[in-house]
Amino acid sequence: DIQMTQSPSSLSASVGDRVTITCRASQDIRNGFGWYQQKPGKAPKRLIYSASSFQSGVPSRFSGSGSGTEFTLTISSLQPEDFATYYCLQHYTYPWTFGQGTKVEIK
Amino acid sequence: EVQLVESGGGLVQPGGSLRLSCAASGFTFSNYDMHWVRQGTGKGLEWVSGIGTTGDTHYPDSVKGRFTISREDGKNSLYLQMNSLSAGDTAVYYCARVPFSCNSVTCDRYGMDVWGQGTTVTVSS
Repeated sequence: DIQMTQSPSSLSASVGDRVTITCRASQDIRNGFGWYQQKPGKAPKRLIYSASSFQSGVPSRFSGSGSGTEFTLTISSLQPEDFATYYCLQHYTYPWTFGQGTKVEIK
Repeated sequence: EVQLVESGGGLVQPGGSLRLSCAASGFTFSNYDMHWVRQGTGKGLEWVSGIGTTGDTHYPDSVKGRFTISREDGKNSLYLQMNSLSAGDTAVYYCARVPFSCNSVTCDRYGMDVWGQGTTVTVSS
């Protein structure tokens, strides 16, 4: 199975900060990769798919990059509504696997 | 409005069984793969199963042989039959839609673009 290693597991940041979250795959997954945002008590929401394609309606401050084994989610200017937990997912091959999650908290 | 609504969760004893359902509306259900994802309390997301439009099924080792995913396109419904349940299966279970596209050689899937609100399964004596 492909292991997804996400870092950091948590971070504290202020409104307006630039935030970067990284996910590393244990083997090449091409661009079969996505990022999800989850707020407490809510279902996850897809932000990015195919490594860098935007889900409709996602603010442009979110961007995704990478291919192969290294992927990055960047929030260019953190907003109050962005405080949440973020997960990466490899959807390149079965079994699909999620990263452990990154909790973004208010500093 | 595109919508997924799960049902069937509840309290079940260890070793017991439960069948979850997911009712889809607002889109052509038969054109999409459908998956189940679960989340234990305070834990991360775990992919549980997936079914293609042709009925092909996929599972991680953690549930293989115990869980069965199925779909009924005429009823726009997805199911998850869970047997031999243990405390480790306690979680919120989400159903999710998975879009895909195919060329002459291969198919690409794009992750889960629509999620239900989840149904809670508790395995306890």
